[in-house]
Amino acid sequence: QKEVEQNSGPLSVPEGAIASLNCTYSDRGSQSFFWYRQYSGKSPELIMFIYSNGDKEDGRFTAQLNKASQYVSLLIRDSQPSDSATYLCSRSGGSYIPTFGRGTSLIVHP
Amino acid sequence: DVKVTQSSRYLVKRTGEKVFLECVQDMDHENMFWYRQDPGLGLRLIYFSYDVKMKEKGDIPEGYSVSREKKERFSLILESASTNQTSMYLCASRSLSNEQFFGPGTRLTVL
Repeated sequence: QKEVEQNSGPLSVPEGAIASLNCTYSDRGSQSFFWYRQYSGKSPELIMFIYSNGDKEDGRFTAQLNKASQYVSLLIRDSQPSDSATYLCSRSGGSYIPTFGRGTSLIVHP
Repeated sequence: DVKVTQSSRYLVKRTGEKVFLECVQDMDHENMFWYRQDPGLGLRLIYFSYDVKMKEKGDIPEGYSVSREKKERFSLILESASTNQTSMYLCASRSLSNEQFFGPGTRLTVL
């Protein structure tokens, strides 16, 4: 069982809508969680991180963490076509090795 | 500005050749990683290094080796390239707060 699970998508939303991306993890020792955005042909870039239960907001992005249920989500408000990309969820814990999900493809159509 | 650079964006090699991929970071990070990324398989960890001259195998180390002689440089070596090593190779370094910073990637084709 992969440690971090994401729906591969594609998730298709209209411009201006809220895009909701979800991620579950199996290691209860996980301490920190990261969302990376990867455009086609480019490398991943960090957009959000979260350590504590609850919500963390940064502009149009909100990360949500529920450690009891072992899931992390990323909400993108007022989605734009430029948000179309693959979003990678990652967790990090006591070991040196971070773990990535396979990513969810998001398509925002005009 | 945080920066991770990789020696080549695109590389074409022949089966059996020895291939060197280099990665340099300027953030004084101790931890560095090499991944390969293939469609449908996501990021897979090949090797990582948590300090100079220290290395650990990741999920798919077979056919690869690494070298970390200086803190800022982490090299990935394909001892004898094979066609199944055609892939996108990504280097990353990690901060103390566990954020990873990726290089631009090297797209390697082995003919």
